[in-house]
Amino acid sequence: QKEVEQNSGPLSVPEGAIASLNCTYSDRGSQSFFWYRQYSGKSPELIMFIYSNGDKEDGRFTAQLNKASQYVSLLIRDSQPSDSATYLCAVNIPGNQFYFGTGTSLTVIP
Amino acid sequence: KAGVTQTPRYLIKTRGQQVTLSCSPISGHRSVSWYQQTPGQGLQFLFEYFSETQRNKGNFPGRFSGRQFSNSRSEMNVSTLELGDSALYLCASSLSGTSHYGYTFGSGTRLTVV
Repeated sequence: QKEVEQNSGPLSVPEGAIASLNCTYSDRGSQSFFWYRQYSGKSPELIMFIYSNGDKEDGRFTAQLNKASQYVSLLIRDSQPSDSATYLCAVNIPGNQFYFGTGTSLTVIP
Repeated sequence: KAGVTQTPRYLIKTRGQQVTLSCSPISGHRSVSWYQQTPGQGLQFLFEYFSETQRNKGNFPGRFSGRQFSNSRSEMNVSTLELGDSALYLCASSLSGTSHYGYTFGSGTRLTVV
């Protein structure tokens, strides 16, 4: 079982819609959770991190964490074509490495 | 504030050769991690260095090695290159490696083995 799992997609949403990206993790010792965005041909860029159960909002982005169910999600409101990218979920276990999912490809259709 | 610098950006090597990649982390960051990214496997963890010591290691063969210098700059070396080593190699720096603030990635080195 992989430490972090994501649906590979592709996920397509129309411009202005809400994009919902999901991630599950296996290690209950995970304490920090991250979302990275990676444009084609570029390196990953950190867009959100969350430590506590519940929601964390930053502009059009909302990260949601449910430790009991071991899932993390990212909502992108008012999706724009510039949001088209691959979104990587990552978790960190204290004293250990970061584990990344394989990413979900998002396309926002104008 | 300078970001994470990786050199070179692109490399083409032949099978059997060896290669050395370099990474300079953000100033003040003491942890450097290396990842291999391929379309089928995603980001695979190679190793992490903190204060010149390898702290964590992924499941890669011994042909992959690394080191970190006292100024936190890091190098990774791949010996006896194989076609399957063709990938984007990413370096990531963080304050402590288990930082709650995540990594900052460099632009990567695209290695092609022919």
